[in-house]
Amino acid sequence: EDQVTQSPEALRLQEGESSSLNCSYTVSGLRGLFWYRQDPGKGPEFLFTLYSAGEEKEKERLKATLTKKESFLHITAPKPEDSATYLCAVRGSNDYKLSFGAGTTVTVRA
Amino acid sequence: NAGVTQTPKFQVLKTGQSMTLQCAQDMNHNSMYWYRQDPGMGLRLIYYSASEGTTDKGEVPNGYNVSRLNKREFSLRLESAAPSQTSVYFCASSEAIQENSYEQYFGPGTRLTVT
Repeated sequence: EDQVTQSPEALRLQEGESSSLNCSYTVSGLRGLFWYRQDPGKGPEFLFTLYSAGEEKEKERLKATLTKKESFLHITAPKPEDSATYLCAVRGSNDYKLSFGAGTTVTVRA
Repeated sequence: NAGVTQTPKFQVLKTGQSMTLQCAQDMNHNSMYWYRQDPGMGLRLIYYSASEGTTDKGEVPNGYNVSRLNKREFSLRLESAAPSQTSVYFCASSEAIQENSYEQYFGPGTRLTVT
């Protein structure tokens, strides 16, 4: 069974203080690792898809990287508007569904 | 483009009542999904529809039924609501379940409380 574990559960940052979120996974034949952002009271918003180890993708202050066992979401010089819950999900080769982690809630203080 | 829309936004039911959650997408996607989100548990798949005319069970289908009305619309029905079904429900869609480009796009959610 596919499993996704995200750490830490919560992260409090000062504006400008860079940090990383971790997503550890076990999956049979990775067909994609997905990062989403979720604001309070809203649905998840798609950020990135990573397909193979060594792949990296960037969007504004966010950068996602992938190894064979984990993915990192790096937040560089965060701003208060980066405050959100970040969700990680995987899809295995023998499966139709995404398996989600419980998320990391990031709070950025001005 | 509105993307994925859901109605209602909020609902309170009494145990044993029934209701249908509505979902529609305007992205011409083939596949649609229903999830529930509970604190500390992540998103869990209830049912999905790979294409118009097909539906299949996900991880937690008990107590729910679905209908893929057409390519745009996918509804979720609770026949006899129970307090354990108190949750936030999200509908999502993607281009095609078979594709490697499998990004799912989510609606704003329905917050359901069963008393």
